[in-house]
Amino acid sequence: QVQLQESGPGLVKPSETLSLTCTVSGGSISSYYWSWIRQPAGKGLEWIGRIYTSGSTNYNPSLKSRVTMSVDTSKNQFSLKLSSVTAADTAVYYCARDRKVVGATSYYFDYWGQGTLVTVSS
Amino acid sequence: SYELTQSLSVSVALGQTARITCGGNNIGSKNVHWYQQKPGQAPVLVIYRDTNRPSGIPERFSGSNSGNTATLTISRAQVGDEADYYCQVWDSSTGVFGTGTKVTVL
Repeated sequence: QVQLQESGPGLVKPSETLSLTCTVSGGSISSYYWSWIRQPAGKGLEWIGRIYTSGSTNYNPSLKSRVTMSVDTSKNQFSLKLSSVTAADTAVYYCARDRKVVGATSYYFDYWGQGTLVTVSS
Repeated sequence: SYELTQSLSVSVALGQTARITCGGNNIGSKNVHWYQQKPGQAPVLVIYRDTNRPSGIPERFSGSNSGNTATLTISRAQVGDEADYYCQVWDSSTGVFGTGTKVTVL
């Protein structure tokens, strides 16, 4: 059973960079896309972006200028950096595995981490 | 950018049928996926590719998709089905989630 676990600081100061890592266990990180998704308190889900094990990325256009993702296959980990954060970036951040729909250009998220709350405050 | 619209809330009597809709421009041409999220928990996939249930998801959950509306149907609703439900599609190499629907079982 694939398991994902987010880790990183729970408190980040405004204008600084949010950094999170997702560790994958119970399966290989190879040959999949891996996504970051966030959810402000009481609000809906927002897809941030994803990375393939080759390093190829897709980002949400609304966040693209501030997002960087990386992958370390030797550690079965992938990471998120979000720069110049503000209070609006306060949210629970989830990592998830992308699963491709056979025969279609569509993906869904079949495994999720438990989520980690990141608060942006001075 | 592509947008998905869901009703804010749906109420259903215990044992009856709840229908949760997800509206989007020509959404019938896309694959729609549905997630259930209970308070304090990560979302769980309940339907993928419009109509398919992952292993472990009860048959009471079903989906359809046509025209400008996709629908998640919960038959014989149980108290344990109370949750937020989100639809999701893939558009121009971007994941897009619906606004979410809160389901209450009365």
